[in-house]
Amino acid sequence: SYELTQPPSVSVSPGQTARISCSGDTFPNQYAYWYQQKPGQAPVVVIHKDSERPSGIPERFAGSSSGTTVTLTISGVEAEDEADYYCQSADSSGSYWVFGGGTKLTVL
Amino acid sequence: EVQLVESGGGLVQPGGSLRLSCGASGFTFNIYWMHWVRQAPGKGLVWVSRISNDGSSRSYADSVKGRFTVSRDNAKNTLFLQMNSLRAEDTAVYYCARDGGSRGFDSWGQGTLVTVSS
Repeated sequence: SYELTQPPSVSVSPGQTARISCSGDTFPNQYAYWYQQKPGQAPVVVIHKDSERPSGIPERFAGSSSGTTVTLTISGVEAEDEADYYCQSADSSGSYWVFGGGTKLTVL
Repeated sequence: EVQLVESGGGLVQPGGSLRLSCGASGFTFNIYWMHWVRQAPGKGLVWVSRISNDGSSRSYADSVKGRFTVSRDNAKNTLFLQMNSLRAEDTAVYYCARDGGSRGFDSWGQGTLVTVSS
């Protein structure tokens, strides 16, 4: 088994840039995915294939990858972005999946 | 519109069993792999299990292997999770999710709560 490591919390003021990191040995061989989860709601994918943004996700969300670390960057953070964010990946066979521990983004 | 609706959660005693269902609509269910993901109260997301589109391939997290069984009925557009020998640490909201391939888990249900307690 393997693990993905995220910081427990990140805080930014509105309009600033938030960066959430996720490290794991599965990178860069496997894609990273990022999910946003607001209280009482199911998760929503905001980044797939390391850096691609699904339709309907604002352009301020971006993903990047460097070695064994992937990063979710939210530019011009808005109050509505306050949520828990999870990175995710799979093993090389695609049979086993893992989520990072989650990062709580607080908009001050 | 893609919809996934879980059901079957509830209160069960330690050592007991429960069968969760996930009804799918709005897409061609039999071409998608599906997953179960759980979330303990106040905790993070944990992947539980995955099943291929035709049910021939299944995998499980170590924490549930040998106790949980994933299955599907493509004729009824339904995904199942049979949970046996339940433990207190299995208490969680259980979500079913569609595997969108390179799009990640692109659709999720609203979740069903399983509480294991005496």
